[in-house]
This record gives sequence, C-alpha cells and structure tokens, in this order.
Amino acid sequence: DGGITQSPKYLFRKEGQNVTLSCEQNLNHDAMYWYRQDPGQGLRLIYYSQIVNDFQKGDIAEGYSVSREKKESFPLTVTSAQKNPTAFYLCASSIAASGMGLGNEQFFGPGTRLTVL
Amino acid sequence: RKEVEQDPGPFNVPEGATVAFNCTYSNSASQSFFWYRQDCRKEPKLLMSVYSSGNEDGRFTAQLNRASQYISLLIRDSKLSDSATYLCVVNAANQAGTALIFGKGTTLSVSS
Repeated sequence: DGGITQSPKYLFRKEGQNVTLSCEQNLNHDAMYWYRQDPGQGLRLIYYSQIVNDFQKGDIAEGYSVSREKKESFPLTVTSAQKNPTAFYLCASSIAASGMGLGNEQFFGPGTRLTVL
Repeated sequence: RKEVEQDPGPFNVPEGATVAFNCTYSNSASQSFFWYRQDCRKEPKLLMSVYSSGNEDGRFTAQLNRASQYISLLIRDSKLSDSATYLCVVNAANQAGTALIFGKGTTLSVSS
C-alpha cells in the first residue's frame, strides 16, 4: 500500500537528549514536510524539503535538524536546544509544486507523540 | 490579521442538520485552498480541495470567494461520524515551493 509511515508512535525523552523521528513515504512524492501541533493550536511548519539533498527552514526551525539523503526519507532530529519539545509531530508529503508556486495537497503520516520527562 | 482564521467552535448540531464553516485568509495572492478533517489525536486527512467555481462531494460543498478572501464548507445531513475538527488550509503565496498554512480548526460535534 502507498502511504507515509512515521515511527515511533510514542516517544519519551529525557531532558538533554537528542531524539530522531522517522518519516518514510512510498508515494514517489518530491516534497516532504515536518510540522508540530500543540493542544488547541494549528500546525506549525518546522522544516520542508522540495527535493533530495535540499531543505528549508519553516517557521519554528530552532532546536530541530533534518536531512534528505533519499527521496523516500525525511528524518527529524529534536535536539536538546529545543526548549519545549513535547508535542505531536506530523510528517507530510506532496508532489512538487508547479512553477507558479501553487501549493499541492499534502498527505500526512500518523504522527509521533513526543513527551519530555 | 492572522494568515488563516477560523471560528474554533465548537459547533454542536443534531444528526441531520446542515452546518457551515467559514474561513478567512490574509494573502490575496494565495491560489490553493483545501479543507482537511482531523479526528482527535489523529493526523489531518484531506477532505476536499476548493476550486474557484465551487465544488461538491456528496454531502460536502466548498466555496471560494476571492474578493472577500474567504472559504466556506457546508455539510448537509450531518452524521455522527462527521464529528471532528475541520482545518482550513491555504498555500503560502509569499514563499517559493509548496508550503501550506493551516488554520487552527473548527470543531464539530454531531449528536443523536
């Protein structure tokens, strides 16, 4: 089945630790995204990547890092520099945008709930 | 003005009711519009894209008013299973590429 997978579903981290969240897609999508969602809040963009080996900061990139070595994979590392990392993390993918900058619909993975102990 | 603004609700309606949500967006250059549905503690799922001419999918109708910069979603004959949060989504026209901006959502609760 085609889709986006994220692992783990739940993750607990001690303060001061770095953790990496996995995101894999087999939809052959060029673009991938990471968002975080806090209770009662909308989705906020952390990083996005439009093509392999390239990625851009979103609105709240501080304390996070990503890589895009393969088209299928876009892992997110939450570093100890992220002051309030407890949140629901969502990965999404979409086909590449047209040259007019249109935003194509994004498809989401099931998410990872990160809790800092 | 917030980039994408929605009434958070909740909208509490009985089964069979018709309910409408509105959403306003601030960037007049935006060209792509969507409604997503998000169930509690789940990921958002695409409900429908919104086209300039308006579009309908079964009990759901989406409309776009570019002049007033708002998008609407109409749900007819509400079902219990329609209970969810509905997210209004607009492309970030001031950024290259594919970024989307998500509203905080409108919560719908359908009761029997």
